[in-house]
Parts: sequence; C-alpha cells; structure tokens
Amino acid sequence: GQSLEQPSEVTAVEGAIVQINCTYQTSGFYGLSWYQQHDGGAPTFLSYNGLDGLEETGRFSSFLSRSDSYGYLLLQELQMKDSASYFCAVREGGFQKLVFGTGTRLLVSP
Amino acid sequence: DAMVIQNPRYQVTQFGKPVTLSCSQTLNHNVMYWYQQKSSQAPKLLFHYYDKDFNNEADTPDNFQSRRPNTSFCFLDIRSPGLGDAAMYLCATSRDSNRVGTHPSTNEKLFFGSGTQLSVL
Repeated sequence: GQSLEQPSEVTAVEGAIVQINCTYQTSGFYGLSWYQQHDGGAPTFLSYNGLDGLEETGRFSSFLSRSDSYGYLLLQELQMKDSASYFCAVREGGFQKLVFGTGTRLLVSP
Repeated sequence: DAMVIQNPRYQVTQFGKPVTLSCSQTLNHNVMYWYQQKSSQAPKLLFHYYDKDFNNEADTPDNFQSRRPNTSFCFLDIRSPGLGDAAMYLCATSRDSNRVGTHPSTNEKLFFGSGTQLSVL
C-alpha cells in the first residue's frame, strides 16, 4: 500500500510564490507526478520527476528527493487562474496504476 | 480536439437501477483507467486496463464492473447504484509506462476526460 500526504489548503496573493509539499510512503517508487484540477474540471498533468532534483516548466517547478520521500510543486508569479486543487501522484511500483495524494486546494486572492 | 471523451457529462439514475458510463479515446493508448472522485476528495482508482488485461483494485466494490471491447472504448457499469455512489467518474488514458524510447514524462502523463457526474435519486 501507499500513502501520499499534502496540506489541505494553501492561500496566497497574486504575484506571490507558493510551495505545495507532498510526502509519500510507497512499496515501490517510480516517480512523482503533479496534476491541477479546477472546480468541476478534470485533472490535467503538470509535471513529472523520475529522478532527484528540480524540473522547471514555465512558472511551475517540481522537486523530488527520493531519500526523503518528499517532493514539492513550486508556483511562481501566481495568477488568479491558478486557484485550483493540486494533487501529487505516484505510480505503484512495476504497475501501470497511478495513485493520487490527498490534494491541496490553492486559493489565490487579488 | 477532445482526446478522451466521456458521455454523458451528467447522468441521473435511480437507486438500484443499473447505469453505464462510457469513455472513448483517440490516442491509441494501451492503458485506460476509471477513477471515482467525491467532492473535495482525491480521485480514487477503481480499476484499469492494460490492453485487454483487467486490473481491479482490492477495495473496489463488486457493484462496479468494467468492459473494454477494443482499444478505443471502455465502459463502467454500476449494477445497483446506491446513494453513496454519487460522484464524478473520471476516465483516463496513458501510454505503457514501461515503454522505451520516449521521455518518462510522456509515458507517465495521464489524459483525463471531462468526467461524468453521477447523481443517484
């Protein structure tokens, strides 16, 4: 089995930087993914870390430390449209299935 | 253009009345997934197909069944819906995560449909 823990909610203002953490316990690890989901919408893929370190995609970056079983999503220059839920996810070792974390609701205010 | 299509967007059924949700994909992906998501919760995996190989999660109720007649289509059957089955049902696809020759993030990425919101009266 596995578990992925995230803070339930984070608030920030436009233009700020916010970090969303994810700690995980898995029986086999094949990388950490991040998804964004707006209310009423479907999750959309943001990033993937298979190895330790930082991956950058525009305003979003994601970090992984396998030795610490920890990762984070960093959102810079926050915009109102970034208000959404963010999920980390891991693929159970050797299998195709993807399991999601508890989710973090980000609220961006003016 | 939508690549994973779920129909209908909203489905209302009666308690105990069988219902089928459908999903189709134009991506030719090997893997198809069904997730259940309740309000303010994470998507919960019900089952997935790797080609025709069906993989059921241990805690998925027997009330939930699935069919994948071909690569493009996958169906979720709820044999006797209860009030607790009201949720958003999300279909997703991905490539074979073990596929070689492509960037890992390409294989790891799930493509989701817009979901079917199921109400049970």
